[in-house]
Amino acid sequence: DIQMTQSPSSLSASVGDRVTITCRASQSISSFLNWYQQKPGKAPRLLIYAVSTLQSGVPSRFSGSGSGTDFTLTISSLQPEDFSTYYCQQSYNSLSITFGQGTRLEIK
Amino acid sequence: EVQLVESGGGLVKPGGSLRLSCAASGFTFSNAWMTWVRQAPGKGLEWVGRIKSKTDGGTTDYAAPVKGRFTISRDDSKNTLYLQMNSLNTEDTAVYYCTSSRGFFWSGFLERDAFDFWGQGTMVTVSS
Repeated sequence: DIQMTQSPSSLSASVGDRVTITCRASQSISSFLNWYQQKPGKAPRLLIYAVSTLQSGVPSRFSGSGSGTDFTLTISSLQPEDFSTYYCQQSYNSLSITFGQGTRLEIK
Repeated sequence: EVQLVESGGGLVKPGGSLRLSCAASGFTFSNAWMTWVRQAPGKGLEWVGRIKSKTDGGTTDYAAPVKGRFTISRDDSKNTLYLQMNSLNTEDTAVYYCTSSRGFFWSGFLERDAFDFWGQGTMVTVSS
């Protein structure tokens, strides 16, 4: 299986901050990298697919970049509703989809 | 509006079985690849497995921890997805989500494993 490792596991930040979350794959996954946001007690929400394409309705303060094995999710100016847990997910090996362990973004 | 509604969760003893259902509406279910994702309490997301549409072969794929114990099936006439879980153990305790994708084209490829449709989840607790 392709292992997905996110860093940091948790992060404290303030409203208005710029935040970056990193996701590293154990092997090259080309651009088959998606990002999700999950709030407590809720189902995940797809934010970005194919590394950098924003899902419909996702604010433009979210952006994604990377290729191969190293990827980032950036939030340019944190809003109160952005404090959540974020997951990366590879779909390169469609026979065995894997997620990162998650990054919990908390209010400082 | 797309809706995925899971049901069938509950408390089951180790070694027992349970069948989850996911009722779908608001999209052409028969064309959709359907996926189960689970989340143990306080833990991250784990892909359980997927069933493709019949036009794409109707094949199933499973994560290693559930292969041979779980079976995914679908009834396109009822717009319903199923997850039959056998030989359950405590590590299977989780919220189980039914998910799908509308399909996204990029660079000539149709991505069907970026999940934009999710149910609310159903809790499965395996405990004696």
